[in-house]
Amino acid sequence: SAVISQKPSRDICQRGTSLTIQCQVDSQVTMMFWYRQQPGQSLTLIATANQGSEATYESGFVIDKFPISRPNLTFSTLTVSNMSPEDSSIYLCSGGGQGAQGYGYTFGSGTRLTVV
Amino acid sequence: GNSVTQMEGPVTLSEEAFLTINCTYTATGYPSLFWYVQYPGEGLQLLLKATKADDKGSNKGFEATYRKETTSFHLEKGSVQVSDSAVYFCALSVIQGAQKLVFGQGTRLTINP
Repeated sequence: SAVISQKPSRDICQRGTSLTIQCQVDSQVTMMFWYRQQPGQSLTLIATANQGSEATYESGFVIDKFPISRPNLTFSTLTVSNMSPEDSSIYLCSGGGQGAQGYGYTFGSGTRLTVV
Repeated sequence: GNSVTQMEGPVTLSEEAFLTINCTYTATGYPSLFWYVQYPGEGLQLLLKATKADDKGSNKGFEATYRKETTSFHLEKGSVQVSDSAVYFCALSVIQGAQKLVFGQGTRLTINP
């Protein structure tokens, strides 16, 4: 299965600034996803990163706050914009799948973001 | 809608004890089911999966059986080790054009020597 390198692994940011998180996959993958894991909670899907087109966002998440790029089948970025302390979370990217049901997705190691 | 409910944690066991973490789901359609593990300070790793009813997923001594009649996918291990201490997530995916994962709330497991 694919291996995903995610960076940065952690950051402490000032409120009002933006942070871009990168995920690099070691092979081409059909689907890439971005998740948020708030402290002590489960993972919530932010959006599906579509290659060559705009990302598809889940309810409660908007492009202005979480712009996503996916220029090719091995790379994606998530930007957390105009940050507030409520954005402090772990952000994870995930990739995999070739359309076959049951394919287990690989996750990056996560970016632990603290907004002060 | 699609949802996953996991046994509430935290769970604390002694080494070599038997482990069960309950997971039930609701889904529109025929889901695939997964268990992921998150070790301290790390991302998620796929532990095991099952794609159809009565399938048993297994890995590293863990196993779970896809039970359609009870909509369950309970995780079990016969003899846990200290190194199994982690957070365990049950998840499902349903093909709807994009195979998004829906996660349970996670169960923190601590194994004492």
